[in-house]
Amino acid sequence: EVQLVESGGGLVQPGRSLRLSCAASGFNFDNSAMHWVRQVPGKGLEWVSGISAGSSDTPYADSVKGRFIISRDNAKNSLYLQMNSLRVEDTALYYCVRRSGPFDYWGQGTLVTVSS
Amino acid sequence: EIVLTQSPGTLSLSPGERATLSCRASQTVSSSYLAWYQQKPGQAPRLLIYGASSRATGIADRFSGSGSGTDFTLTISGLEPEDFAVYYCQQYGGSPWTFGQGTKVEIK
Repeated sequence: EVQLVESGGGLVQPGRSLRLSCAASGFNFDNSAMHWVRQVPGKGLEWVSGISAGSSDTPYADSVKGRFIISRDNAKNSLYLQMNSLRVEDTALYYCVRRSGPFDYWGQGTLVTVSS
Repeated sequence: EIVLTQSPGTLSLSPGERATLSCRASQTVSSSYLAWYQQKPGQAPRLLIYGASSRATGIADRFSGSGSGTDFTLTISGLEPEDFAVYYCQQYGGSPWTFGQGTKVEIK
C-alpha cells in the first residue's frame, strides 16, 4: 500500500523558515518523481514544486521560486521542502504527491500557518 | 502557463442525476495530459481520470472523461451520495502543473 506521510508543519512568524518532510512507503520511491502541492483551507489547489527521481530537475512555482528548496533522500525514501522567507500568503495545507504522469498518490497534508 | 477554467462553479443536483463538468484550457493541452481529481471535505484529492479519458484504478465506471485540445468534460452518469464533492481538473504536460479552480457538486 502506498503511503505518504507529511510532517514539519506548524505556526511560524513571517520571514522565518520551516522544513517539511514526507516519508514514503509502498512503492519504488527512487524511481518516482515527487511534488508538493498546497491548498489554502477552503480554496483550490496550487502546485508548488517538483523533483525528478534523480534530483536533476527541480521546477518551482513563480510564487515560491528563490525562497523554497525541494530535495529528496532516496536512501531514506524521503522528500523535503525547505521553506525560507515565509510570507503570510504561504499559509496552507501542504501535500506530498507522487507523480507517475498525473498526480496519482497524495498524502494527508501538513498545515503551515505563517502569522505574527 | 496553461490556465484552466472550470464551469460551473457549483452544480446543484439530486442523487441519480447526471453531472457534466467542464474544463477549458487557455492553450492546447499536449497529448491530452489532462486529469480530474475528486476532493471530499477533510480529505486529500483523489485521482479519478487521467489522459483525459482513462479511469484510475478502482474508479467506478459512472465516471467518464472526454475531450481534447482545449475543451474537456467530466461526466458522472448517475450521482451517488458519495459523489457530492469538489472536482478539479489539472494539466500535467509540464511545468508549471496547473489546476482549475474547482467545481463543487452539491445536493439539491
